[in-house]
Amino acid sequence: DAKTTQPPSMDCAEGRAANLPCNHSTISGNEYVYWYRQIHSQGPQYIIHGLKNNETNEMASLIITEDRKSSTLILPHATLRDTAVYYCIVRSRGTGTASKLTFGTGTRLQVTL
Amino acid sequence: DGGITQSPKYLFRKEGQNVTLSCEQNLNHDAMYWYRQDPGQGLRLIYYSQIVNDFQKGDIAEGYSVSREKKESFPLTVTSAQKNPTAFYLCASRIPTDREDTGELFFGEGSRLTVL
Repeated sequence: DAKTTQPPSMDCAEGRAANLPCNHSTISGNEYVYWYRQIHSQGPQYIIHGLKNNETNEMASLIITEDRKSSTLILPHATLRDTAVYYCIVRSRGTGTASKLTFGTGTRLQVTL
Repeated sequence: DGGITQSPKYLFRKEGQNVTLSCEQNLNHDAMYWYRQDPGQGLRLIYYSQIVNDFQKGDIAEGYSVSREKKESFPLTVTSAQKNPTAFYLCASRIPTDREDTGELFFGEGSRLTVL
């Protein structure tokens, strides 16, 4: 699976949009981009995933560049409860794929008043 | 409700003792994973299993052992050979990606092991 690079930390004011970047320049054609978040001392929670089209759900939006080498997770109206570590991972889908699913160190998002 | 249950939530052990962490899921998922997390660090993969009676080493398997005798259960044993066992341990499961699904991981709430 391709490696990802994320900034170690970011701040965001409550009510504003939080834009979390992820670089995955070695991504291959069958690899999806997944985002998870981990609130302190809890298990990570799935947020969203995508292949090449932009995606939106009730939690967030995912914008993937046309060359797929980077993506941005957008939390449209951040709240204090969105303070967490956000992980971007890429992995392939398909029969027989090895699925080690490795996580990096993520981005620590601090939402402030 | 369906989910993943890890137990115990907190565990204290003396150095040199083996300890087994439980992970049970009722999501009917084939694949299960164990991760280790140290303070301020990301998740590191210990072992994973894609099907009953089969498992593979992850990136930091030394000093750990697992079994997968039932689909629902994937216990992790931290042996005395693990040099720094104090950590937060997370279990996860998911449907294999060759089926129609999101491929998302479902995590338990974690087990915090402290070796004294």
